[in-house]
Amino acid sequence: DAGVTQSPTHLIKTRGQQVTLRCSPKSGHDTVSWYQQALGQGPQFIFQYYEEEERQRGNFPDRFSGHQFPNYSSELNVNALWLGDSALYLCASSSSGTALETQYFGPGTRLLVL
Amino acid sequence: AQSVTQLGSHVSVSEGALVLLRCNYSSSVPPYLFWYVQYPNQGLQLLLKYTSAATLVKGINGFEAEFKKSETSFHLTKPSAHMSDAAEYFCAVSRQGSKSTFGDGTTLTVKP
Repeated sequence: DAGVTQSPTHLIKTRGQQVTLRCSPKSGHDTVSWYQQALGQGPQFIFQYYEEEERQRGNFPDRFSGHQFPNYSSELNVNALWLGDSALYLCASSSSGTALETQYFGPGTRLLVL
Repeated sequence: AQSVTQLGSHVSVSEGALVLLRCNYSSSVPPYLFWYVQYPNQGLQLLLKYTSAATLVKGINGFEAEFKKSETSFHLTKPSAHMSDAAEYFCAVSRQGSKSTFGDGTTLTVKP
């Protein structure tokens, strides 16, 4: 059983560019959450998708957007990249997205903005 | 609002010694609490979680944590450290859906 997978593993962009990160949830999971983990910090919640809709959102600007597909996979899009967007982006999946459900994290995509 | 404070960004212990990683939380409602471990260049792995059942929670790899409401704490312990325990540890609190609020992490170093 494959766990949560993310692609690409590493990415280098320049300021102002746009980026798309992808996530495939663990088999049987229908909820995907995205987190940003800056160097030396804990993950910060970006948003959560369930039934192809954004269900919750953290304190991130509209430059951060996402999508969930019918097969529950998800994309994170970031427009107009800043240097400060450089971070490890983590995807986590769970079943139904309740607090009791364990989230399973992928290995992350490391984004470097130059 | 919910928040987590991890006391001590770096903890160093000798192999075989007790591991104690501290976490205090703030939550307006009874929380769910989690400890995760992150190895270099990897994602987060759940060690254990508290969901209002037993206050002493046992997790994987010999770790356990005790929920103390009066102290708003959820400290992580392991009786005997192993070299393979060296990693970054995150405490997290959750209540609404599965939005989790994480602490800034504690790096555990294990000396031979």
